[in-house]
Amino acid sequence: DVKVTQSSRYLVKRTGEKVFLECVQDMDHENMFWYRQDPGLGLRLIYFSYDVKMKEKGDIPEGYSVSREKKERFSLILESASTNQTSMYLCASSSPSQGMSTDTQYFGPGTRLTVL
Amino acid sequence: AQKVTQAQTEISVVEKEDVTLDCVYETRDTTYYLFWYKQPPSGELVFLIRRNSFDEQNEISGRYSWNFQKSTSSFNFTITASQVVDSAVYFCALSEAITGTASKLTFGTGTRLQVTL
Repeated sequence: DVKVTQSSRYLVKRTGEKVFLECVQDMDHENMFWYRQDPGLGLRLIYFSYDVKMKEKGDIPEGYSVSREKKERFSLILESASTNQTSMYLCASSSPSQGMSTDTQYFGPGTRLTVL
Repeated sequence: AQKVTQAQTEISVVEKEDVTLDCVYETRDTTYYLFWYKQPPSGELVFLIRRNSFDEQNEISGRYSWNFQKSTSSFNFTITASQVVDSAVYFCALSEAITGTASKLTFGTGTRLQVTL
């Protein structure tokens, strides 16, 4: 089974703090993703990475950055946390099927971040 | 731009009832994939099914079935004889290729299903 783990299930931080959310997958997947989930808005893509040290902006990258130094690990960084970044953060990974972008994304358990 | 609409915000049924979750999508792509995910109270999204745009055959997996109709841009999900363990938020999603080997998912806003005894 695909296993995607996230470093924390719940996190409470203060405004202005630097926050690191870690995601690790054990299936040697090339692609990794960070989403945030908010009530009534579904999941929205923040950033994704299709290779080590490669990153691309998603739909809502403002206020976030990412790091992918190793294939299995994808970190989401909030440089200066703000209250509007209080949300559920979900990491996912996928691997292209037969060299095509027909990948199924597998998700971690999520991190519920509260910024006070 | 791609769009997925799940008009039903919340559905409540009594155990053993059948329930259908609606999903309508918009895309200009001729090749695309549709997904359903389940999010139980624990929070993790669980993959249920992937369907490509060339395969309109309905799929059944145990108590779950999916009806894909390209003519109406719909990909509906039916649970037969619902059980309390089916209580969750269900998301429909549409893929869009962003590189040659990676795709982006556009999610609907989800339907919360509550199954009671």
